[in-house]
Amino acid sequence: GIQVEQSPPDLILQEGANSTLRCNFSDSVNNLQWFHQNPWGQLINLFYIPSGTKQNGRLSATTVATERYSLLYISSSQTTDSGVYFCAVAQAGTALIFGKGTTLSVSS
Amino acid sequence: GAVVSQHPSWVICKSGTSVKIECRSLDFQATTMFWYRQFPKQSLMLMATSNEGSKATYEQGVEKDKFLINHASLTLSTLTVTSAHPEDSSFYICSARPQSGTGASYEQYFGPGTRLTVT
Repeated sequence: GIQVEQSPPDLILQEGANSTLRCNFSDSVNNLQWFHQNPWGQLINLFYIPSGTKQNGRLSATTVATERYSLLYISSSQTTDSGVYFCAVAQAGTALIFGKGTTLSVSS
Repeated sequence: GAVVSQHPSWVICKSGTSVKIECRSLDFQATTMFWYRQFPKQSLMLMATSNEGSKATYEQGVEKDKFLINHASLTLSTLTVTSAHPEDSSFYICSARPQSGTGASYEQYFGPGTRLTVT
């Protein structure tokens, strides 16, 4: 099956810093989504981005489908950005497969 | 739009009993729903895919007789953990994908999860 690798596994930042999270996947996909899991476990849908670039406030994401990777950018990080960020991919008609996540800790 | 609910949000049960978890798509119809399980400090693992009106497809290693899935309507899927044991304690999350149409999106929408503790 398709493999999803996220890096780095852990990231520690000072408030105000910028960061880039990476997601590599092993095969072509029709769906790629980025999530932030909050402390209560709920998955917050950040982006649906099988290709191209999107921006939402301080967050942006780029997926280069031909090279099988996606990047999530967080600018001017805040303590509320802390948590686990997951990348998940799927091929047509199948379920999302999740990477192992990046745990982000932002300190004030 | 695209809201998925789960009930209950948390449940404690005794070993040997059964627990049912409901997953509902509130504002869209979903021909396909998915069930995931997440253990502490781990990623989400797909358990099964359910299609409305047909039997669920289980991932390798998931016992279909233990985790009963029913997708009786386009807005409701249920997961029943039968004869629960402490090792079944986990965070169960459902997901739904809207019916496809023109310009189909493959985006999945997730419920808030159900935390199961078996004592």
